[in-house]
Order: sequence, then C-alpha cells, then structure tokens
Amino acid sequence: GESVGLHLPTLSVQEGDNSIINCAYSNSASDYFIWYKQESGKGPQFIIDIRSNMDKRQGQRVTVLLNKTVKHLSLQIAATQPGDSAVYFCAENKATSGTYKYIFGTGTRLKVLA
Amino acid sequence: AAGVIQSPRHLIKEKRETATLKCYPIPRHDTVYWYQQGPGQDPQFLISFYEKMQSDKGSIPDRFSAQQFSDYHSELNMSSLELGDSALYFCASSLGALNEKLFFGSGTQLSVL
Repeated sequence: GESVGLHLPTLSVQEGDNSIINCAYSNSASDYFIWYKQESGKGPQFIIDIRSNMDKRQGQRVTVLLNKTVKHLSLQIAATQPGDSAVYFCAENKATSGTYKYIFGTGTRLKVLA
Repeated sequence: AAGVIQSPRHLIKEKRETATLKCYPIPRHDTVYWYQQGPGQDPQFLISFYEKMQSDKGSIPDRFSAQQFSDYHSELNMSSLELGDSALYFCASSLGALNEKLFFGSGTQLSVL
C-alpha cells in the first residue's frame, strides 16, 4: 500500500545540535530514495538521495542512512541551524519498467530552538 | 539555473467550476509528475508522464485529466470542482531514466469556495 501522512510528528532541537529524522517506507522493492525539505507554502526541495545498493551517503552537513532489512531511512543533519526549520519528507521509488511514481512518507516537522 | 515553473501561483474557483493548472519542466526534462498536498499532509501522487505518454496513475479523481504536450509542458485539468479539491498542487520534473532526482515547482494553491 501507499504511505499516507495524517499528523506530522515534530522534532525540536537546539541550534547547533545534531538532528535525526526517521522515515519508514512501505515497499520492500523500492530501490531509490530521496529526502526533501519543505518550507511553508513552498515546493519540496531536494536534499539528498540514496540508491538501494548503498547504506550510507553523505552530503554537506547531511547524511542519509538506509536499512533495507527494516525498511527504514534516516536523515542526519549536523550542527542544526535556524534555516533548517521545515518539514522533511522521504520519498521512495521502485524501478519497475514503465513506472514513474514517487511515494512520499509521513513528514516530520523540524523546529530549531535558538 | 532554470527551475520547474507552475502557473498560476494562486487560483480561486467556485464549486462545480473548472480549473487548468500548467507546468513547465526544467529544460531537457522529459518526465513530469503531479502531486496534491492538503494542509499538514504529505504530497499525494496523482499522475506522471514520460515522453508525452501517461506513465503512472495514482489517486487522481476521474474529474481530473492531464496531458503532456510536444514541448514537454503539462496541464492538469480539473472539472466539477469540489470543496475537497482545495489544496496545493505541485508539479515535478525529472530527466527520463528511472530513479532520477525529482525537482519540484513552487506549486499552485487552489481554493474552491
């Protein structure tokens, strides 16, 4: 089935601390994942992606971890800044021939406390 | 760098009216996706197109239709609008091959009164 978000969980962190945002995806056959950041009234903004043949990928201040055994993704943000305050979504895709469809997981609202 | 362009940015309609949302993908992107996002909800996949052909379909009502044109822009047509259609509608584009990054536009805020 497809993931549907009903209520947004919230993560509050102090400025300068590290943040860890989790996502449970729904399809064990999904093989490509993207983390998005969405600010109020704006479109989702690409942060980082990972393919299923990897279990970790690092970007600038962000790291994504993939655990296929339990269908779990996490996004780690180092030294969280006020500008990181937003809603974060993971999206999954399955490389089936002829299918172009990304399913979003439940978002997490990140609040950075000064 | 050019991004995904959506128009209009805001749209107000009455119940039972029709609406047309437009999407211009990033140049050279040949795949377009439409998503609907209600307040506090995750984006819900509606429909996608690859090389002007429908690729996949999600939870799109029969009252909605979409197409991708020869210049790769796409339009989402919505008829017999209902109050529950009020939402943010996003278009995203990618460069064809499976498992490529999706880039989103700023969305169209549709309000049905």
